[in-house]
Amino acid sequence: DAGVTQSPTHLIKTRGQQVTLRCSPKSGHDTVSWYQQALGQGPQFIFQYYEEEERQRGNFPDRFSGHQFPNYSSELNVNALLLGDSALYLCASSFGPRGNQPQHFGDGTRLSIL
Amino acid sequence: DQQVKQNSPSLSVQEGRISILNCDYTNSMFDYFLWYKKYPAEGPTFLISISSIKDKNEDGRFTVFLNKSAKHLSLHIVPSQPGDSAVYFCAASPAGSSNTGKLIFGQGTTLQVKP
Repeated sequence: DAGVTQSPTHLIKTRGQQVTLRCSPKSGHDTVSWYQQALGQGPQFIFQYYEEEERQRGNFPDRFSGHQFPNYSSELNVNALLLGDSALYLCASSFGPRGNQPQHFGDGTRLSIL
Repeated sequence: DQQVKQNSPSLSVQEGRISILNCDYTNSMFDYFLWYKKYPAEGPTFLISISSIKDKNEDGRFTVFLNKSAKHLSLHIVPSQPGDSAVYFCAASPAGSSNTGKLIFGQGTTLQVKP
């Protein structure tokens, strides 16, 4: 039973570039949430996708956008990269969008902005 | 505004003893709470959760206690093992119409279990 998988594991970009991160949810899960984790901090909620729609969004600018595909996989896109976007980006999946089910995380994509 | 706080950045415990990790929250609308464990270079791993209708949930060596009046939860690990050494995050999810699965995390507590 495959867990949540994310790609790539590491990425190096320069300021102003654009990046796309990918996530495949755990088998049987239909909801994907994205989080940003800065060094020494807990993960911060970016947004959640369910039924191919963005259901809720955290306090992140419009440079952060996403997509969910019919097979429940998801992408996170970040435009006009800033140095402050350097972080670990985590994808989490769950069954259903409600907040009473545990979310299961992938190992993340480490994004470094030069 | 830090709605979920873990005030102890680190904790060191001897193998075989009890580890107690604490978490405080400010938003009374939270009604589902979770603990995650994170090893370096890995994503957070779900450990145990508790709904606000309960005050205790147990799973093997792990027990979570919830004190709603104090807006406090704790994770007890008994007995502690060296493999438990990791960063532990508590997280909370709001209820009602805001119950969309957004998790709000604390800053984490690094647990070291000494052999």
